[in-house]
Amino acid sequence: EAGVTQSPTHLIKTRGQQATLRCSPISGHTSVYWYQQALGLGLQFLLWYDEGEERNRGNFPPRFSGRQFPNYSSELNVNALELEDSALYLCASNGLNLWSYTFGSGTRLTVV
Amino acid sequence: SQQGEEDPQALSIQEGENATMNCSYKTSINNLQWYRQNSGRGLVHLILIRSNEREKHSGRLRVTLDTSKKSSSLLITASRAADTASYFCATAFTGGGNKLTFGTGTQLKVEL
Repeated sequence: EAGVTQSPTHLIKTRGQQATLRCSPISGHTSVYWYQQALGLGLQFLLWYDEGEERNRGNFPPRFSGRQFPNYSSELNVNALELEDSALYLCASNGLNLWSYTFGSGTRLTVV
Repeated sequence: SQQGEEDPQALSIQEGENATMNCSYKTSINNLQWYRQNSGRGLVHLILIRSNEREKHSGRLRVTLDTSKKSSSLLITASRAADTASYFCATAFTGGGNKLTFGTGTQLKVEL
């Protein structure tokens, strides 16, 4: 069974640009979660999608947005990139077992 | 912030020794989970302990939970060089919208 896959692995963008990160959950999982891990900080909850709807949002500005597609894969979009957006972005998924999360390997976003 | 604290921030031990790391959190929880992260990549789920449990074992791992003190500990016995990683606790609480709230992490280094 394939795990949670994220792409790209690395992404370098210029300040002010937009970044799009992608996540494919484990087959059968309907929920996708996004977390940001900035250097020296813990993981901060960004967004939760379930059945195509945004269910919960962390304390991040509106320029962080996303969506979930009918096949349950998800996109995270970060607009007007700032230097402090440089971080590892992790995606996780779960299904019927609400408390069992599987994480992907992450996308490392660098803003220069 | 709901984020928990872990201590120590960093721990260096010799192979074969035991490693203990602690986690404190702020709210009533449904469960607490421990994750491992190798070299800033994805998280690997280690163990989950529910709020009505006090101790749980999985292989060389032993987790305790004290809900009155809002704290948990992770013990790794007979450590190996391959245990070198960052370890995070994460809490899930009723009304938290399914998200996990992570601690700040402990960096464990096991030396040969």
